[in-house]
Amino acid sequence: AQSVSQHNHHVILSEAASLELGCNYSYGGTVNLFWYVQYPGQHLQLLLKYFSGDPLVKGIKGFEAEFIKSKFSFNLRKPSVQWSDTAEYFCAVILISSGSARQLTFGSGTQLTVLP
Amino acid sequence: EAGVVQSPRYKIIEKKQPVAFWCNPISGHNTLYWYLQNLGQGPELLIRYENEEAVDDSQLPKDRFSAERLKGVDSTLKIQPAELGDSAVYLCASSLQESPGELFFGEGSRLTVL
Repeated sequence: AQSVSQHNHHVILSEAASLELGCNYSYGGTVNLFWYVQYPGQHLQLLLKYFSGDPLVKGIKGFEAEFIKSKFSFNLRKPSVQWSDTAEYFCAVILISSGSARQLTFGSGTQLTVLP
Repeated sequence: EAGVVQSPRYKIIEKKQPVAFWCNPISGHNTLYWYLQNLGQGPELLIRYENEEAVDDSQLPKDRFSAERLKGVDSTLKIQPAELGDSAVYLCASSLQESPGELFFGEGSRLTVL
């Protein structure tokens, strides 16, 4: 069965610190990769996505993620976090099989707390 | 553009009672999803619709859960009877069929079963 692993359940950083959140997935084949974010009191929203091409993708608010196929990873990064980045971050993967997309599977999430 | 609308936002019921959640997706989005999210976990798919057809309901507990999407727009998720373990947030999302994985979520319906 497909699975998505997020290594850190809770990360606490001070403002201006660098961020890297880990994400690994368990399937071979063609995948589309996503990071979603849920700010306090708000709905889940897409942060960035990777379909193909340049493995380094940039999203909103200065976030970026790198797809490393050999490591089955899609880690999220930001050089300098802000207090407003406090949120829960979810990695998600969808397997593209025979031209059709399978189910989008989410990781368990990482709660990021940024201290002012 | 209006987002995905869900109601009610909060619901408290006693066990064995029925409950229903409603979702209105973004206009033009033909794919609709119901997800279950437990505290400290990621969303888990319950059912996915392409227009009015349920194309993936393998994880829907069919003994007590049911869903419908009449006319391929709004959807209702029902639980009857509810159990204590059903306490969770029920998320509705929609997407364009040609953009799988790019989901737009509603704010969720938080269910508490006493």
